[in-house]
Amino acid sequence: GAGVSQSPRYKVAKRGQDVALRCDPISGHVSLFWYQQALGQGPEFLTYFQNEAQLDKSGLPSDRFFAERPEGSVSTLKIQRTQQEDSAVYLCASSLNVNTIYFGEGSWLTVV
Amino acid sequence: EDQVTQSPEALRLQEGESSSLNCSYTVSGLRGLFWYRQDPGKGPEFLFTLYSAGEEKEKERLKATLTKKESFLHITAPKPEDSATYLCAVQADRGSTLGRLYFGRGTQLTVWP
Repeated sequence: GAGVSQSPRYKVAKRGQDVALRCDPISGHVSLFWYQQALGQGPEFLTYFQNEAQLDKSGLPSDRFFAERPEGSVSTLKIQRTQQEDSAVYLCASSLNVNTIYFGEGSWLTVV
Repeated sequence: EDQVTQSPEALRLQEGESSSLNCSYTVSGLRGLFWYRQDPGKGPEFLFTLYSAGEEKEKERLKATLTKKESFLHITAPKPEDSATYLCAVQADRGSTLGRLYFGRGTQLTVWP
């Protein structure tokens, strides 16, 4: 596709439920990032992939958060046993050379 | 610690009234400074990357400039469709994942007719 595609766009989860958020990066982009954006804040880094290798997961807030990119293209961010503080927009970004980084529209997660 | 501070938090302009948004940063070696535009309910839209002090880039009514401590986003004769939140982010050249962006909280710009 022309841009970074994320699904679902909106997700309401009950507290304790597991969720999976998908990211389709721009074709050919080696680098893939996940960010978390709370209301009124700038995006905060979660994790980084170069092809299928997860090179940095220092921003993941807890061991309930897990990300994968098994074939170096599509990525999934999984959140286990969701809690209310996980409510945020989850943004995926991709880049060919980290000089221009393109974001998707985000997945809006609400935990009730 | 790498930090980005944007000011003002919010700015209201009348159509045609030019102004500037400020982004102050501290980073252990700047690799790049990024500007994004974000509309409500949307992801950040890439505008510019600046790499060195003195560099300037333009796109339509927007011009971004960079010094060693801050960047400015100048908006000339804005229109209502320029209303959005403008995000600034820095990318360090050492000590962290290459490409990782550190964002400010943004400036919410409203342009009224």
